[in-house]
Amino acid sequence: GAGVSQTPSNKVTEKGKYVELRCDPISGHTALYWYRQSLGQGPEFLIYFQGTGAADDSGLPNDRFFAVRPEGSVSTLKIQRTERGDSAVYLCASSLGGSGLAEAFFGQGTRLTVV
Amino acid sequence: AQTVTQSQPEMSVQEAETVTLSCTYDTSESNYYLFWYKQPPSRQMILVIRQEAYKQQNATENRFSVNFQKAAKSFSLKISDSQLGDTAMYFCAFVPLSGGYQKVTFGIGTKLQVIP
Repeated sequence: GAGVSQTPSNKVTEKGKYVELRCDPISGHTALYWYRQSLGQGPEFLIYFQGTGAADDSGLPNDRFFAVRPEGSVSTLKIQRTERGDSAVYLCASSLGGSGLAEAFFGQGTRLTVV
Repeated sequence: AQTVTQSQPEMSVQEAETVTLSCTYDTSESNYYLFWYKQPPSRQMILVIRQEAYKQQNATENRFSVNFQKAAKSFSLKISDSQLGDTAMYFCAFVPLSGGYQKVTFGIGTKLQVIP
């Protein structure tokens, strides 16, 4: 596609529920990144994919968070047993190679609200 | 660990005037990138300008320029001829070249309002 697409744009869920957030990167971009932006903060790194594999998942806060990219394009961030503290904007970015922020394009994020 | 500090929560500037946003950082790394990102209400992070730490020359992109002071660990953004479309949150970001480009540290942002 022309840009990084994230769906849904907004998601409201009840505490304890499971949610999936989708990121569709720019076609041909091998690197994909997930960030979490809490209210009043800058984005924080969660996980980085190079192709199908998670090259760095050190930013995932706990084992309730998991992300996949089975075919090396679309990625899904999965959150189990959601908590109110998970409420944030989840941003996805992609880049052609592994140059990270130096050449990355961001999507418009998914605003997750846990009630 | 790196820290990025943006000490101005909010700034305002008259249209066509110049404004400078401040950013300081702390690191023991010698090779790194610094970035300024713009985040309008649409939430999309848009790269404004980047600076490689090994380059002494300050980066410029049209109306946007930086004042990079490596010894002082300072990286301010100057916006000249401010336009209404510049209204947004601005984030300063640091990326060390060691450990992967994805290990980015963002500041908490400065909200810029351009007044007509």
